Amino acid sequence: GQQVMQIPQYQHVQEGEDFTTYCNSSTTLSNIQWYKQRPGGHPVFLIQLVKSGEVKKQKRLTFQFGEAKKNSSLHITATQTTDVGTYFCAGPLFTGANSKLTFGKGITLSVRP
Amino acid sequence: EAQVTQNPRYLITVTGKKLTVTCSQNMNHEYMSWYRQDPGLGLRQIYYSMNVEVTDKGDVPEGYKVSRKEKRNFPLILESPSPNQTSLYFCASRTYRTDTQYFGPGTRLTVL
Repeated sequence: GQQVMQIPQYQHVQEGEDFTTYCNSSTTLSNIQWYKQRPGGHPVFLIQLVKSGEVKKQKRLTFQFGEAKKNSSLHITATQTTDVGTYFCAGPLFTGANSKLTFGKGITLSVRP
Repeated sequence: EAQVTQNPRYLITVTGKKLTVTCSQNMNHEYMSWYRQDPGLGLRQIYYSMNVEVTDKGDVPEGYKVSRKEKRNFPLILESPSPNQTSLYFCASRTYRTDTQYFGPGTRLTVL
């Protein structure tokens, strides 16, 4: 079945360093979404990418959808302690009413002040 | 405020004692799901519902039941909880127009 993979599962950075993580799908996706879960919290939607090669920015976060629509990246510039949490990517298995969102296992980011 | 609510937020119970975790959304979403989250395993879908009276199994349905009698509510039922069901549970909802999921705050369940 379709798999969405995020490796590694944990990453530690020094505050101020840049951080990049990747998400890979075994199949072409109609869209890809990113969610953030703060420690003790619930996943919160960050962004959705739909078009091949699409790049979107949210302040220090840059999201990109691959040209083949099978991978995506999240880049954080100059990490801050507020960036701590687990970042999940997710892609729909089907489309429309039958769509089922498949989540990667997530990457947990810790930031050393 | 648009939201998904779950109750209870924390629950400690014993093996075999039936329990229900409630989930409610006020966004008129058609699609609702239950996930469990375990360390190293990410979010795994338990059951989902595409609309009232329409439910289907997700990836890890064993030991769980659900019902969808009203559009806003999607309770998760554990008829005979076992320790391997100790986990963090999330309810989520979305509309057909978008794949974006809105998650509830989570229910941390411990089965002794």
